Amino acid sequence: QVTLRESGPALVKPTQTLTLTCTFSGFSLTTSGMCVSWIRQPPGKALEWLARIDWDDDKYYSTSLKTRLTISKDTSKNQVVLTMTNMDPVDTATYYCARTRLLNGLDVWGQGTTVTVSS
Amino acid sequence: DIVMTQSPDSLAVSLGERATINCKSSQSVLYSSNNKNYLAWYQQKPGQPPKLLIYWASTRKSGVPDRFSGSGSGTDFTLTISSLQAEDVAIYYCHQYYTTPWTFGQGTKVEI
Repeated sequence: QVTLRESGPALVKPTQTLTLTCTFSGFSLTTSGMCVSWIRQPPGKALEWLARIDWDDDKYYSTSLKTRLTISKDTSKNQVVLTMTNMDPVDTATYYCARTRLLNGLDVWGQGTTVTVSS
Repeated sequence: DIVMTQSPDSLAVSLGERATINCKSSQSVLYSSNNKNYLAWYQQKPGQPPKLLIYWASTRKSGVPDRFSGSGSGTDFTLTISSLQAEDVAIYYCHQYYTTPWTFGQGTKVEI
């Protein structure tokens, strides 16, 4: 059974750096064709794709956020980490991680973690 | 970036009736070498993460009821719910994974 779980702080202050961890099970990020993405959703708004890391360590980022984002993986721990610098109240959202296998869409999602940016 | 535009933003459909959601991409998401459209549809209910319904524009994910179907190619796509059930009340999103950055539509809210 494939599962993903997001973890990180619920509250961060403006200008701080956010670090989120996606811990997964049921698949390996060393398997060809496997990818993990981060997606966020501000309250009452649409989904926004943020970043993706592939089995071969290729990394891709949102155009508007790429200067603030870093994605990495630790295959020994089955984890993917996203950092976002210079947090602002507009970054308040639920952050999800999700798996892609062989580019068949985002087929399994975590439950999400809610992050509020406020002083 | 590829812009995904859904229509309508919301629709109300009677139980048992058909619901149709459209999605238009600002450029083609059809990969000519394998003739696949890199387009997916998701369903999101309140307080839940999105759930994949359809990928490759028309391939239903295992376990998804067959009243959900996807169609279209190139830049124009449709998600159809053939006979709306109460549990289908949700927001539906289209998503292109043809090229990074991946992008989503703005969502379509389906109500009874």
